[in-house]
Amino acid sequence: DTGVSQNPRHKITKRGQNVTFRCDPISEHNRLYWYRQTLGQGPEFLTYFQNEAQLEKSRLLSDRFSAERPKGSFSTLEIQRTEQGDSAMYLCASRKRGARNNEQFFGPGTRLTVL
Amino acid sequence: AQTVTQSQPEMSVQEAETVTLSCTYDTSESDYYLFWYKQPPSRQMILVIRQEAYKQQNATENRFSVNFQKAAKSFSLKISDSQLGDAAMYFCAYSFTQGGSEKLVFGKGTKLTVNP
Repeated sequence: DTGVSQNPRHKITKRGQNVTFRCDPISEHNRLYWYRQTLGQGPEFLTYFQNEAQLEKSRLLSDRFSAERPKGSFSTLEIQRTEQGDSAMYLCASRKRGARNNEQFFGPGTRLTVL
Repeated sequence: AQTVTQSQPEMSVQEAETVTLSCTYDTSESDYYLFWYKQPPSRQMILVIRQEAYKQQNATENRFSVNFQKAAKSFSLKISDSQLGDAAMYFCAYSFTQGGSEKLVFGKGTKLTVNP
């Protein structure tokens, strides 16, 4: 169990560019979550996968955002035409379906800065 | 919609002393989980303690304990014998258990400073 990993850890981009983040969950975890955390706020839910199926999306996830989990393992979050308001920490978490305690395990996050 | 409120943006405590962080939540559900997560500076979030709503007994994990008042929808965290390593942002979170994503709903956090 190597924990949840996220890459890159930091990303600086110019407004209007596209960016993609990757999350590798704990290997036996079939549930994967994306959250966004802005300065001074708690994380906010963006979307959730069970295996490869994206089953819930927040209204925060505008049309410029897309997430995939093609083989039910790693996931990618892409932001097209980035805006300064997209600057935030993007957190990935995973858990095992049916785990009684509902605990989600978090990765270190990707900090996005849009100039 | 479920909401979580942490009314203390910042707290401080002397090393070896006890501190209590407050959290209230709003839900119409009867079966749910409550969590306290710790986020140290530039490090990833880790679970401190969890409480199942159906359990009346307050959860305890070593120096960390909670005071869960279901009727009042209150869930406070007590840290005993505070250590320098306890300095971090603490987030209270709620998760609905019955089906769906079981996503976490977080409060805005409390920044805890531990003074030597």
